[in-house]
Amino acid sequence: GENVGLHLPTLSVQEGDNSIINCAYSNSASDYFIWYKQESGKGPQFIIDIRSNMDKRQGQRVTVLLNKTVKHLSLQIAATQPGDSAVYFCAGGGSNYKLTFGKGTLLTVNP
Amino acid sequence: SQTIHQWPATLVQPVGSPLSLECTVEGTSNPNLYWYRQAAGRGLQLLFYSVGIGQISSEVPQNLSASRPQDRQFILSSKKLLLSDSGFYLCAWSHGGNQPQHFGDGTRLSIL
Repeated sequence: GENVGLHLPTLSVQEGDNSIINCAYSNSASDYFIWYKQESGKGPQFIIDIRSNMDKRQGQRVTVLLNKTVKHLSLQIAATQPGDSAVYFCAGGGSNYKLTFGKGTLLTVNP
Repeated sequence: SQTIHQWPATLVQPVGSPLSLECTVEGTSNPNLYWYRQAAGRGLQLLFYSVGIGQISSEVPQNLSASRPQDRQFILSSKKLLLSDSGFYLCAWSHGGNQPQHFGDGTRLSIL
């Protein structure tokens, strides 16, 4: 099955800096990956996704990088803002309907 | 646009009481529906998912059950709650495999 986990449980950055949150997975059959942001007391909010036929995808201030060779993906947030403070989850899936979630990284943005 | 609603937002129940949490989706048809539980400081554990009316797949043996009486309605139930059922319950929908799942704002369930 899928095993998705995160390298660091917490990350603290200064406002305006770039943030990088990392994630590793173990199932080579995984072909879909997604990042979520979860604020306290709320459900996870979709940020960006990527399929295994790509190695990079960009959104507004966010970039996801996928390295299939080492089974690693990362979320980069440019010019991090206080509103970016939250827990960030990666999740991975295959051809079935299920996603397996990592434990999450708490991002704290210092003003 | 699609929206997902969960209620109640918070619930305090005594041990041994029944449970019914409801989730409805608007603005889409034939969604895949999911129930997750999230323990404090942890990731999301998939409890049930459904690809159609009356079709329920259970991921972990537990004290809970799920039902899908209508296309866009997903219900999480228990006949007798245990202390270990406490947690943050999240409902989600998607258009299918390899598609984003979209979450409601959850129900915080406390068992006393």
